[in-house]
Amino acid sequence: DTEVTQTPKHLVMGMTNKKSLKCEQHMGHRAMYWYKQKAKKPPELMFVYSYEKLSINESVPSRFSPECPNSSLLNLHLHALQPEDSALYLCASSVGRDRKLFFGSGTQLSVL
Amino acid sequence: GENVEQHPSTLSVQEGDSAVIKCTYSDSASNYFPWYKQELGKRPQLIIDIRSNVGEKKDQRIAVTLNKTAKHFSLHITETQPEDSAVYFCAASNRAGGTSYGKLTFGQGTILTVHP
Repeated sequence: DTEVTQTPKHLVMGMTNKKSLKCEQHMGHRAMYWYKQKAKKPPELMFVYSYEKLSINESVPSRFSPECPNSSLLNLHLHALQPEDSALYLCASSVGRDRKLFFGSGTQLSVL
Repeated sequence: GENVEQHPSTLSVQEGDSAVIKCTYSDSASNYFPWYKQELGKRPQLIIDIRSNVGEKKDQRIAVTLNKTAKHFSLHITETQPEDSAVYFCAASNRAGGTSYGKLTFGQGTILTVHP
């Protein structure tokens, strides 16, 4: 399996909702990432997990809460989001020392 | 921190022509430079990458060159086809000593359009 799988593909939520994004990879990669991407802009790094420990938090608002239950899974819990949080949320993984990022197909999030 | 500038922001070519996209980086410690292609509504896909110990790398119609002294690298696509139309992102990375992950800094992207 050479893919990073993300669910759901699309999500519409209100500002008072709580939802979660899920990401899974079975490539044995020990680094996993969450990125946020606005249309035609580059991906912006949000969080990095290395060996299941949070290694980087790029000053992301607390309404985004990451979780890494095991080496294959990465979640992003969403609560009380704002309309400006609408974007494509990409999960990625890498072997580690080899910094090639493999991206999932993303979750297109709309906050109403 | 690292800063990556990418030019041009848009590029329009005729099918069969060559396309060149250029990036400059600021951190002389950066040593890994990937290029990603992103089609509309799809994930970024790694198309080629280069490490600082080589000056050029080629894969069929795609090549990347790196000038460490000038701190710039370029993507060259020859014999362009309509399916090459996409947004292309360059990136740079410096693996800080001991870390087991990579932190990429992306350029702003180039929208490439190949006209049939």
